[in-house]
Amino acid sequence: GENVEQHPSTLSVQEGDSAVIKCTYSDSASNYFPWYKQELGKRPQLIIDIRSNVGEKKDQRIAVTLNKTAKHFSLHITETQPEDSAVYFCAASIAGGFKTIFGAGTRLFVKA
Amino acid sequence: EAGVAQSPRYKIIEKRQSVAFWCNPISGHATLYWYQQILGQGPKLLIQFQNNGVVDDSQLPKDRFSAERLKGVDSTLKIQPAKLEDSAVYLCASEVGAGGLGEQFFGPGTRLTVL
Repeated sequence: GENVEQHPSTLSVQEGDSAVIKCTYSDSASNYFPWYKQELGKRPQLIIDIRSNVGEKKDQRIAVTLNKTAKHFSLHITETQPEDSAVYFCAASIAGGFKTIFGAGTRLFVKA
Repeated sequence: EAGVAQSPRYKIIEKRQSVAFWCNPISGHATLYWYQQILGQGPKLLIQFQNNGVVDDSQLPKDRFSAERLKGVDSTLKIQPAKLEDSAVYLCASEVGAGGLGEQFFGPGTRLTVL
């Protein structure tokens, strides 16, 4: 069945360094790829998303890249700050009402 | 704009008991999702509604789980009877469009503990 694999499961970086989280999806029909941030005990919140007609998207310190041929997409956080510490989930879905599949999550620790 | 509301926030039950969760999505949102999030894992889609119709329930354990969205607004998710492995956070989310098109807004979740 459809699957989204996410790596690494845990990532520890020093404040100011960059962090990269990678996801691979299996369903080639997927065309919408959001990233959610979930702080401890809180609900997931969208931080950035990308659609299949775009290869890269940036929003301040956060960027997402998509390689449709290889079926993988990545989240890049630059100049990390302690408040970036959270669990990050990637997801893949097919526009038009079909299931959204989430990755298993990456726990990011930013050390001050 | 009010967010997605869920109740109760916490529930502790014994195995084989029944439990129901309620979700009120953001006003005007057509699509409503129920997810199960087991500790340390990503959200797993249980069921997706568009208005009051089911779009996808392929991962809903239908022998014990049921859900409805009457009038295309509020939704309830029921588990009957509960098993130990049902212990998880149940997240409701809503989306303004037809699904898979944009941001899902999540509720605070209901943390279920089955003893």
